[in-house]
Amino acid sequence: GESVGLHLPTLSVQEGDNSIINCAYSNSASDYFIWYKQESGKGPQFIIDIRSNMDKRQGQRVTVLLNKTVKHLSLQIAATQPGDSAVYFCAENIGGAQKLVFGQGTRLTINP
Amino acid sequence: GAVVSQHPSWVICKSGTSVKIECRSLDFQATTMFWYRQFPKQSLMLMATSNEGSKATYEQGVEKDKFLINHASLTLSTLTVTSAHPEDSSFYICSAREVSRTGPFQPQHFGDGTRLSIL
Repeated sequence: GESVGLHLPTLSVQEGDNSIINCAYSNSASDYFIWYKQESGKGPQFIIDIRSNMDKRQGQRVTVLLNKTVKHLSLQIAATQPGDSAVYFCAENIGGAQKLVFGQGTRLTINP
Repeated sequence: GAVVSQHPSWVICKSGTSVKIECRSLDFQATTMFWYRQFPKQSLMLMATSNEGSKATYEQGVEKDKFLINHASLTLSTLTVTSAHPEDSSFYICSAREVSRTGPFQPQHFGDGTRLSIL
C-alpha cells in the first residue's frame, strides 16, 4: 500500500552541526506534510508543516523542503543542540480523508 | 496553546481487564480526535478517528468491539480497551485538531501517550 518512508533510520551528528532528515512519500494525493519530534516516552511534538503548493518553509532553526517531482521531503535542523536528540517522523495528510500517515522515523543523536 | 492531555500515563493490569484512556484538549475545541497505537521502535499507526457526537471510524483491521471510542464533547474522547490481553500491550496516543481553524491544513496536536501493560 501507499506509505511514507525514510531513507535513514538513524543519524548521528556533532553538536553545532546541521542535520538533514529525509523522507519519501508515495501518495500523490497528499496535500499537506508535517514533521514531528518524539522524545522517549512522550507523544509527538509538532515542529513544522508545509502545504503541497510550497517547496520550502522556514521556522526557528528548522527548514522543511518539499520536492513533489520526486515525492521527497526533508527536515533541516541548524546548529543542532543536545535537546534535538529524538526520533523524527514525517507525516502526510491524505487529502480528502484528513488522516495522517506516519513515516518510519529517524533517530537523531547529537554527539558532544 | 493547543495542549492535549492524556490520562492515565501508565497502566498495568491483569489479562481480561477493561481499561479506559482519556484524551482531553485543554485549551481548544476539537470536533475530531485520533487514536494511535505505537509498538516499541515503530511508527504510529492510526487506529480510529473519533468524531464528536457520532460513531468513530476505525481503520482496517482494528476491532471496534475491542477498542470502544466515545467522543461525547468537544474536549474529551475516551478509548476503552475491553478484555485486554498481553498482545494489547502498547503505547496508545491520542491527537486532536483545533475546530476554530478553517480549512484542512491544520496540524494534529498529540497527547503524551498511555503506556498499557497487560500481565
